[in-house]
Amino acid sequence: AQSVTQLDSHVSVSEGTPVLLRCNYSSSYSPSLFWYVQHPNKGLQLLLKYTSAATLVKGINGFEAEFKKSETSFHLTKPSAHMSDAAEYFCALTSGTYKYIFGTGTRLKVLA
Amino acid sequence: DVKVTQSSRYLVKRTGEKVFLECVQDMDHENMFWYRQDPGLGLRLIYFSYDVKMKEKGDIPEGYSVSREKKERFSLILESASTNQTSMYLCASSSRNNEQFFGPGTRLTVL
Repeated sequence: AQSVTQLDSHVSVSEGTPVLLRCNYSSSYSPSLFWYVQHPNKGLQLLLKYTSAATLVKGINGFEAEFKKSETSFHLTKPSAHMSDAAEYFCALTSGTYKYIFGTGTRLKVLA
Repeated sequence: DVKVTQSSRYLVKRTGEKVFLECVQDMDHENMFWYRQDPGLGLRLIYFSYDVKMKEKGDIPEGYSVSREKKERFSLILESASTNQTSMYLCASSSRNNEQFFGPGTRLTVL
């Protein structure tokens, strides 16, 4: 069975400090993994994706994620948070089927 | 850029009404999806379609139906709206095995 677990429902950081949003996955097959961001009352926007190439993936707005097969993790990081990063973030996977599995989301709060 | 559009951003309907939510994508994607999003539950798949006139049930299809008569358009139908269908509805499209592109969402309120 496939699953995605986002370990924190809420994360608060101060502006200018690092961001870490955690995602663990379970999949019997080689997965493709994604991070999406959702600002209030908007749809989801793709931040980055892993599709079995380089394990360190760089995305938009300074975000990156590292695929760690041994730890079944795909954590999202950013060196320095900006106020505009405040949003909800979703980790997702697909394993070659039509179905995408989404985590329940992590709401990031950025404090001034 | 891929563009996925949804017919309404906000919609208010009454219990028992038939509701149509429409989604259009402009990138010739084979796959289209309807999700509902509720606080604390993340995104739950209602239906998806991998080709014209083809559809598959997702995790929560009860109370919903879909239609895909043209490749670019995927409609979600609530045959008889109920208050527990008040939610944010998100449409997405993708080419095979690639990332999904999402529309802006429709916030539906059923009174």
